[in-house]
Amino acid sequence: NAGVTQTPKFQVLKTGQSMTLQCAQDMNHEYMSWYRQDPGMGLRLIHYSVGAGITDQGEVPNGYNVSRSTTEDFPLRLLSAAPSQTSVYFCASSPSRGQAPYGYTFGSGTRLTVV
Amino acid sequence: GDSVTQMEGPVTLSEEAFLTINCTYTATGYPSLFWYVQYPGEGLQLLLKATKADDKGSNKGFEATYRKETTSFHLEKGSVQVSDSAVYFCALWNFNKFYFGSGTKLNVKP
Repeated sequence: NAGVTQTPKFQVLKTGQSMTLQCAQDMNHEYMSWYRQDPGMGLRLIHYSVGAGITDQGEVPNGYNVSRSTTEDFPLRLLSAAPSQTSVYFCASSPSRGQAPYGYTFGSGTRLTVV
Repeated sequence: GDSVTQMEGPVTLSEEAFLTINCTYTATGYPSLFWYVQYPGEGLQLLLKATKADDKGSNKGFEATYRKETTSFHLEKGSVQVSDSAVYFCALWNFNKFYFGSGTKLNVKP
């Protein structure tokens, strides 16, 4: 089925470990983004990309890296996990940044716990 | 800066009850306003939207009217069903950025 696929769905990390959250879309969307969802705080933008090879920081980028080598994939890397990064992470895409309000597709999320 | 404030939940209703979830916003310029819904274990889905003042967005029996004078975009449904149980997010889009509210969990009991 067409859409945004996130893996893994659940992950437990120890403080200081690194990992990569995967996000892939098969809709040929140019715009992709990562959000974190915390209780009482809604969704906050971590990083986004307007096309292959182009990335930029969002509202809460510290502790995360991204890259966009292909149109389809937009992985999010945690270099040294901290308990403050315990959250639910969502990847979202749209045909373009300007079209995000009209065609934003979200993945089903990755629940990350850092102990 | 821009922001969205929505009522805290959870909201618990009986089936066929009337639903209102309040949402107010702060923004410069002319934002577009949205309601997203998140069912258990799934990502957010667009429920409805309004792009200018006095517009009414509607979908699946849900409605919301863009009120610039009160900076509000309250979500309403006349008769909720058990299948409407989910988390509802109010959001605004302004200057190529989304701002999401904290979400309101709705529980509908048979």
